[in-house]
Amino acid sequence: DTGVSQDPRHKITKRGQNVTFRCDPISEHNRLYWYRQTLGQGPEFLTYFQNEAQLEKSRLLSDRFSAERPKGSFSTLEIQRTEQGDSAMYLCASSPWTGDEQYFGPGTRLTVT
Amino acid sequence: DAKTTQPPSMDCAEGRAANLPCNHSTISGNEYVYWYRQIHSQGPQYIIHGLKNNETNEMASLIITEDRKSSTLILPHATLRDTAVYYCIVGGSNYQLIWGAGTKLIIKP
Repeated sequence: DTGVSQDPRHKITKRGQNVTFRCDPISEHNRLYWYRQTLGQGPEFLTYFQNEAQLEKSRLLSDRFSAERPKGSFSTLEIQRTEQGDSAMYLCASSPWTGDEQYFGPGTRLTVT
Repeated sequence: DAKTTQPPSMDCAEGRAANLPCNHSTISGNEYVYWYRQIHSQGPQYIIHGLKNNETNEMASLIITEDRKSSTLILPHATLRDTAVYYCIVGGSNYQLIWGAGTKLIIKP
């Protein structure tokens, strides 16, 4: 197993455009998390899936953000009408049902111009 | 706001033990202490976690005070590859973790 993968690794977009990021968790992990990280800060929790069910969503996640995990496998995070303040690293992590540790992917760095 | 307080930066000589402190004076009885690290341009990496007892694994040791208001992460023989930002986080469940800014640990040759 190669770990958690994220695609793309970098994305530059113009303000107002929509973007979508993909996360492929470790195959046997049924929990999946999305975080956002800005420079010099720790990751901020955005949302959490257990299998295909989205069980928790941060108040930070505005209506422009949506996440899905169809069939409980890969997940997508979409940002509509991007703003400059959305520029950040978007991290995905997964964990097994019985595990307390999260395994993180390399992240997608978004730059909104 | 993060529930933990960590020094913003620390240095340690290569080969010596690195001791990273963390204060979590408002920790609740059912909350765990988690440690992760983030090497530059990579995603965070889990190190260790504990509730009350001291814990040790192949990467590090976690020492939690009896009152649980503080803890110390110990890297027994630091190498240059241990240079990273180290995050101490408390939380009652895995997805409710609030991360602070962490400690930037620099290992010097």
